[in-house]
Amino acid sequence: AQSVTQLGSHVSVSEGALVLLRCNYSSSVPPYLFWYVQYPNQGLQLLLKYTSAATLVKGINGFEAEFKKSETSFHLTKPSAHMSDAAEYFCAVSKTNDYKLSFGDGTTVTVRA
Amino acid sequence: EAGVAQSPRYKIIEKRQSVAFWCNPISGHATLYWYQQILGQGPKLLIQFQNNGVVDDSQLPKDRFSAERLKGVDSTLKIQPAKLEDSAVYLCASSLESGRPLHFGNGTRLTVT
Repeated sequence: AQSVTQLGSHVSVSEGALVLLRCNYSSSVPPYLFWYVQYPNQGLQLLLKYTSAATLVKGINGFEAEFKKSETSFHLTKPSAHMSDAAEYFCAVSKTNDYKLSFGDGTTVTVRA
Repeated sequence: EAGVAQSPRYKIIEKRQSVAFWCNPISGHATLYWYQQILGQGPKLLIQFQNNGVVDDSQLPKDRFSAERLKGVDSTLKIQPAKLEDSAVYLCASSLESGRPLHFGNGTRLTVT
């Protein structure tokens, strides 16, 4: 069964600083990988997804993630944090194309002015 | 397009009571999911419907949880009787078909006292 582990339940960054959220996956088959964002009292919104095409995936709001098979990682980055990036971020995995998602436990991002 | 609608937004009940949640997916979306998100954890899939048929309910605690999707559109999720550990946000998501991106509703926050 596939699963993901998110390293760090809380990340605090200064406005304008790099945002780096870590996600490692375990999967018996080449996975589909996703990052979702959840703002307070809202549902989840897809940031980006990896579906075995380009290893560097660009998403919305300036985020991108790189799939590294050798490290079984799919870390999320944004070069310059904005106050509006404060939210909870979830990494998720599914088998090749069934979109039956298994989520990590999330990383809460706070942005300091 | 209108998003996934869920109601109520909040519900507080006492243990051993019953509760029901309602979801109206995006028009034309054949696949519907219910997820349970306990505080501090990622969402966990409870049940997946394809039209009005159940595709996967392996994680649904069937002794107390039930779900239906009559006519393949709206869905209800019921808990009877509720336990303290059922306190969570219940998220509904829909997709055009299995294998397509999920769209999430804003969830129903259940508190069991």
